[in-house]
Amino acid sequence: QVQLVQSGSELKTPGASVKVSCKASGYTFITHSMNWVRQAPGQGLEWMGWITTSTGNPTYAQDFTGRFVFSLDTSVSTAYLHISNLKAEDTAIYYCMRDNRVGEFDYWGQGTLVTVSS
Amino acid sequence: QSVLTQPPSVSAAPGQKVTISCSGSTSNIGNNYVSWYQQLPGTAPKLLIYDNNRRPSGIPDRFFGSKSGTSATLGITGLQTGDEADYYCVTWDSSLSAVLFGGGTKLTVL
Repeated sequence: QVQLVQSGSELKTPGASVKVSCKASGYTFITHSMNWVRQAPGQGLEWMGWITTSTGNPTYAQDFTGRFVFSLDTSVSTAYLHISNLKAEDTAIYYCMRDNRVGEFDYWGQGTLVTVSS
Repeated sequence: QSVLTQPPSVSAAPGQKVTISCSGSTSNIGNNYVSWYQQLPGTAPKLLIYDNNRRPSGIPDRFFGSKSGTSATLGITGLQTGDEADYYCVTWDSSLSAVLFGGGTKLTVL
């Protein structure tokens, strides 16, 4: 069965970096793009962008350029979200999702809570 | 402020029917498929409806979707307390070249 398993919660200080992983299993990794969304505490879902797993080409939403980087290690069927120069407003749950087509996310990771606090 | 507009909250009694609207424009809902997601408290969202009105396997037919023009609707019949959750509409915006999420609607089953 398809599963997306994300890395555990992180507590970081402002200015630090974090790397969230999303390990896929149960399907051929490079056949589906991987998307990321952010959910701040008590807020809705914000689409961050996707990475085409067959090419490694990332696409970022307008609000997530610069400090946010998507990457892959196809040898272990894993996608990564790297956030640099963390700010308090980056405190959120980050989800990875597999897409069947653009905007249709059929499998989700369990989420990774990133807390940024001094 | 989301480009896709959903009511912040809806409520209904157990056994009743509720609808949740999602309003957009020709660049998004009007010319692209809509999907709907259910997020139960403390859990990851789950796909409920795709291609405007299709249900993934395992989703009961109490959940249905429709689209007309630049608006989409999620309906739930035979409400259960377990349906209390946040619901999000999602579509592609051809002008922005971006995936859009609605602001979310909190369903309360009274």
